[in-house]
Amino acid sequence: VQLVESGGGLAQPGGSLRLTCAASGFAFTNYAMTWVRQTPTKGLEWVSTVSGTGESTYYAASVKGRFTISRDNSKKTLYLQMNSLRAEDTAVYYCAKASQDFYYYSMDAWGKGAAVTVSS
Amino acid sequence: DIQMTQSPSSLSASVGDRVTITCRASQNINRYLNWYQQKAQKAPDLLIHDASTLQTGVPSRFSGSGSGTDFTLTISSLQPEDFGTYYCQQSYSTLVTFGGGTKVEIK
Repeated sequence: VQLVESGGGLAQPGGSLRLTCAASGFAFTNYAMTWVRQTPTKGLEWVSTVSGTGESTYYAASVKGRFTISRDNSKKTLYLQMNSLRAEDTAVYYCAKASQDFYYYSMDAWGKGAAVTVSS
Repeated sequence: DIQMTQSPSSLSASVGDRVTITCRASQNINRYLNWYQQKAQKAPDLLIHDASTLQTGVPSRFSGSGSGTDFTLTISSLQPEDFGTYYCQQSYSTLVTFGGGTKVEIK
């Protein structure tokens, strides 16, 4: 299993970024996928999960209405569109594979993370 | 949201010591509790899922127990490579939450 994030970087407050996670080594469609972020002060924070088909999504309250998770199963790729970015969104964002689809899962594979900095 | 509270927030122990980390959920989560180990500048690794099932490849000195609201991660004989931060995570709710972490240092 390999998960490789890209698309991180510097964004201004109120700006947008799109993270991408390229997956390989497993039957992508069969598993939910998640985004988890980490800051030095807040530890690990779950951001969002999408079901294997892409039809069901859940978001943390802190990002709901601003972030959108999606997936392209034909490309084995996961996305996180981040809009209306705030300074508190500054974090390392991890893509993680769920152990199953779509409830009661653990995160059994993780990417190396993509750093996002929101600053003017 | 379900709140996950870990204790202690940090500990220092000697090689060979038995180490116990606890995690308490703010409501019943059955056995939908997972444990992760994270080393500095690395992504977390899954250690234990469903409260007590060891992930493939994880040494048997790690064990998990508990159900309902109270859970424990035990390292039976601490090894030098076990330093890092340990997190619990509940998956009972679709709104997943993590504990605040326990930093383990080797004396």
